[in-house]
Amino acid sequence: RKEVEQDPGPFNVPEGATVAFNCTYSNSASQSFFWYRQDCRKEPKLLMSVYSSGNEDGRFTAQLNRASQYISLLIRDSKLSDSATYLCVVNHGGGKLIFGQGTELSVKP
Amino acid sequence: DTAVSQTPKYLVTQMGNDKSIKCEQNLGHDTMYWYKQDSKKFLKIMFSYNNKELIINETVPNRFSPKSPDKAHLNLHINSLELGDSAVYFCASSQDENNQPQHFGDGTRLSIL
Repeated sequence: RKEVEQDPGPFNVPEGATVAFNCTYSNSASQSFFWYRQDCRKEPKLLMSVYSSGNEDGRFTAQLNRASQYISLLIRDSKLSDSATYLCVVNHGGGKLIFGQGTELSVKP
Repeated sequence: DTAVSQTPKYLVTQMGNDKSIKCEQNLGHDTMYWYKQDSKKFLKIMFSYNNKELIINETVPNRFSPKSPDKAHLNLHINSLELGDSAVYFCASSQDENNQPQHFGDGTRLSIL
């Protein structure tokens, strides 16, 4: 079983749609959680940290369920510029980030 | 002002050669990392240094040797390059080794002929 699992997609959605990505992780001792975004042939960029209480940044909402070892990202009112690969990332401690394989999102006009 | 910068951006070389990739960060971070992203797009950590000391060393062939002359620099030297070393190598840094987000350089695309 992979340490961090994501649906690879691709998710093809129209502009304005709401899309949700899910992620599960296997190590219950994982300490912190993030969503990163990676555009084609570019470096990963931090989108947001994920907290148990849930957190929101504009159109993006992230949620963590430690009991179920599950992380989610919700994007509302999708824009063309949201097209990218979204990486679920888990920190095992000591800075060791474990990346999921990424979920590809394509937003169409 | 580039926060994490890597050189070179592209590296094309032949099997058996030795090459180095350099990384520098101007964020004042204590911890730096090297990651490899292969053709299947999986990003995997290779090494991590905190204040010039090695703290993470994943199962990486000993042909790969990181060197940190100071906490702002983490270089990666690769001996006897093999076809399977072709990948994108990303450097990253974080404030410390404790659950902080990491900031990535824009990658070095290594192609082995």
